[in-house]
Amino acid sequence: AQTVTQSQPEMSVQEAETVTLSCTYDTSESDYYLFWYKQPPSRQMILVIRQEAYKQQNATENRFSVNFQKAAKSFSLKISDSQLGDAAMYFCAYRSPIGTGANSKLTFGKGITLSVRP
Amino acid sequence: NAGVMQNPRHLVRRRGQEARLRCSPVKGHSHVYWYRQLPEEGLKFMVYLQKENIIDESGMPKERFSAEFPKEGPSILRIQQVVRGDSAAYFCASSPLRLSSSSELFFGSGTQLSVL
Repeated sequence: AQTVTQSQPEMSVQEAETVTLSCTYDTSESDYYLFWYKQPPSRQMILVIRQEAYKQQNATENRFSVNFQKAAKSFSLKISDSQLGDAAMYFCAYRSPIGTGANSKLTFGKGITLSVRP
Repeated sequence: NAGVMQNPRHLVRRRGQEARLRCSPVKGHSHVYWYRQLPEEGLKFMVYLQKENIIDESGMPKERFSAEFPKEGPSILRIQQVVRGDSAAYFCASSPLRLSSSSELFFGSGTQLSVL
């Protein structure tokens, strides 16, 4: 079974600075998908960024980028120019490849609470 | 263009009562997923349904929990004889197709169930 680990329960960043959120995972599969979700106090789960394991290039979405290290099974999220609206819980998630019985499930880490200091 | 709608947003039940949580997927989506979030935890998969079919219920507790997604109307997650340990946020998500590399999972805002 796949596992996702987010070992840092909390992080804080100064507004306009850069912060990196860590995530590691364990799997025996060679192809899979990785995601970062944001959960603000409203509880809405918002997809921030996704990465296909077969792609070597790291995904980027505006101020959000990932550092995907497949051999190390590491998938960190970098937030540049942090804004007050970035304050939220962030969850790392794993999904199995297409065609397997497990690909209907997302496996989530425990999350990290990010606070942004003005 | 409404997203995934869940109601109620908050639900309070006493031990032994029944809880019914509703989820209306994004219009046109025929696949629904239920997840549970315990305090200080990530979301845990419970069940995956298509219209009138349960596809994967490997995350559902064996007793007291059931889910349906009828041809008409919302998906329902039903918890009978609730216990304090059922207190959690329950999230529904939908997708237009079985998840593939191009399909995204859209989440609702969840129902917070509190059992007294």
